[in-house]
Amino acid sequence: DQQVKQNSPSLSVQEGRISILNCDYTNSMFDYFLWYKKYPAEGPTFLISISSIKDKNEDGRFTVFLNKSAKHLSLHIVPSQPGDSAVYFCAASDSNDYKLSFGAGTTVTVRA
Amino acid sequence: DAGITQSPRHKVTETGTPVTLRCHQTENHRYMYWYRQDPGHGLRLIHYSYGVKDTDKGEVSDGYSVSRSKTEDFLLTLESATSSQTSVYFCAISTVPQETQYFGPGTRLLVL
Repeated sequence: DQQVKQNSPSLSVQEGRISILNCDYTNSMFDYFLWYKKYPAEGPTFLISISSIKDKNEDGRFTVFLNKSAKHLSLHIVPSQPGDSAVYFCAASDSNDYKLSFGAGTTVTVRA
Repeated sequence: DAGITQSPRHKVTETGTPVTLRCHQTENHRYMYWYRQDPGHGLRLIHYSYGVKDTDKGEVSDGYSVSRSKTEDFLLTLESATSSQTSVYFCAISTVPQETQYFGPGTRLLVL
């Protein structure tokens, strides 16, 4: 049973506009959340993370928002650039476990 | 980039043959992980290691075994490969198990 869900398999956005990627989780013990970006034929690369003690974390064009009561997080990319075209994975972990649980991924395509 | 290499990068094998994939790190990270990536499933943990000779199962461990005799090397073995093990395999490392993991470039395995 998947504990982290990314319900949108794909997203298409125009260059310069905002990309919003969503992620839902079911395990209330999760207290650390990450986003990874993956290009074809490469390994996932870490993008941004957030601890459950925060509700927002920003790094340049990337901002992650966490809504613990709704068990929902989102990644905002502003402005979107062609190099942002990739698969984005949401992941979560809890302090008592060794593993990350990943969502199925969202493929973002940025149109010129 | 974290110093993680995987070998081989591509492999084609036949059903019933044994296969070993190697992950090598130069970061001296304590924790190492093997994941497989399949469409619609994201990344799923196969096995992980929390130190030399210390390993444990992940969520999809059936048909796989691992060994870690040195800090820098983590081997994944398919004792008798099956077509359902056709996948892309990623190794990851981390210093703290619950937080950011860094991924290798992946091994694409095709079992005929």
